[in-house]
Amino acid sequence: GAGVSQSPSNKVTEKGKDVELRCDPISGHTALYWYRQSLGQGLEFLIYFQGNSAPDKSGLPSDRFSAERTGGSVSTLTIQRTQQEDSAVYLCASSLDGSYGYTFGSGTRLTVV
Amino acid sequence: GENVEQHPSTLSVQEGDSAVIKCTYSDSASNYFPWYKQELGKGPQLIIDIRSNVGEKKDQRIAVTLNKTAKHFSLHITETQPEDSAVYFCAALSGSARQLTFGSGTQLTVLP
Repeated sequence: GAGVSQSPSNKVTEKGKDVELRCDPISGHTALYWYRQSLGQGLEFLIYFQGNSAPDKSGLPSDRFSAERTGGSVSTLTIQRTQQEDSAVYLCASSLDGSYGYTFGSGTRLTVV
Repeated sequence: GENVEQHPSTLSVQEGDSAVIKCTYSDSASNYFPWYKQELGKGPQLIIDIRSNVGEKKDQRIAVTLNKTAKHFSLHITETQPEDSAVYFCAALSGSARQLTFGSGTQLTVLP
């Protein structure tokens, strides 16, 4: 597609439930990133996929968070047993080769009640 | 790892005036420095970037300067307009890491 697409745009879930957030990167982009942005805060790195290499998971805040990227394209970020502190905007970005020029999606606003 | 400091956190200017936002970074191996603009409810959008082999880059009303010795870089917006109002983020890409580290953001308000 023309840009990075994320779905859903908004998600409200009850504490303790699992959620899945989806990212569809720009076609042909080999690198894909997930960031988290809490209210009024900067962007916190979560995980990075580059081609067929093992993902860099160094930013995941706990083992309740996981992500996968199927076929080198679409990625899903899963949060298990959601907590109120997980409430944030989750942003996905892609780049052609993992070096320059990230393009961000519009994000998924997650609210845990 | 890389650490990026950004200031000011908020900046108000009169329409037509200039705005300057400054960032410092910690990793001397960082070699790529983009700036993003984020409007309410949208994802960050790349507005300008600079690589470490260049000291300054300009694109119309926007310019970025880089001082590698001091490890700081700045965004300059001239002739500001109300539509420039947004949150601006600086970032740095370290040679040893493969993901951008972002500053904490600057809320720019251009008063008409």
